[in-house]
Amino acid sequence: DSGVTQTPKHLITATGQRVTLRCSPRSGDLSVYWYQQSLDQGLQFLIQYYNGEERAKGNILERFSAQQFPDLHSELNLSSLELGDSALYFCASSVEGLAGGRTGELFFGEGSRLTVL
Amino acid sequence: DAKTTQPNSMESNEEEPVHLPCNHSTISGTDYIHWYRQLPSQGPEYVIHGLTSNVNNRMASLAIAEDRKSSTLILHRATLRDAAVYYCILRDVGETSGSRLTFGEGTQLTVNP
Repeated sequence: DSGVTQTPKHLITATGQRVTLRCSPRSGDLSVYWYQQSLDQGLQFLIQYYNGEERAKGNILERFSAQQFPDLHSELNLSSLELGDSALYFCASSVEGLAGGRTGELFFGEGSRLTVL
Repeated sequence: DAKTTQPNSMESNEEEPVHLPCNHSTISGTDYIHWYRQLPSQGPEYVIHGLTSNVNNRMASLAIAEDRKSSTLILHRATLRDAAVYYCILRDVGETSGSRLTFGEGTQLTVNP
């Protein structure tokens, strides 16, 4: 158990819909990362938040957005869903943001499996 | 991001050592080498990391070449539970890149009983 909690574990929805994925980081971790893993793309970095502020952006679509709340949990919002958005979405957390960022490990949750029909 | 190159797949027998290679010829002087693994249907899991010196922990050992252009993850006695995709990653930290990990294709390790 990594200490990172993601909900829901599975989600099935239709094209055009909107979903919200939730992540609770490990206690004390200030950084939250979101990754997407699909069969043909591997693990793709989407976005990082550090203590409520956006820190880095990766291959995140404009239809997707995220935020980190004062209690440090994070939500990833996916809207106007398309078939190609079907994937595993992982959240990870770590203690640091930038300082010492090369050395610390990331702790990943078990993922939310999104299926868009 | 500095790039790493790993074999697509490797096989090992149970209870034998496994050496997983990684090439990173464009590594910069301040890049740390991280290894993660992903078991089936699970999120990635930290294995080990290092900068210049060889490192050991309860899971594995990391041997880093003197010129740092390559490294090897060593599993001393493979078990069936070690069957996973192993990712070698150069940690990317910066003003615009944050402290994210950039995953490549990894090496699929198969452990035979």
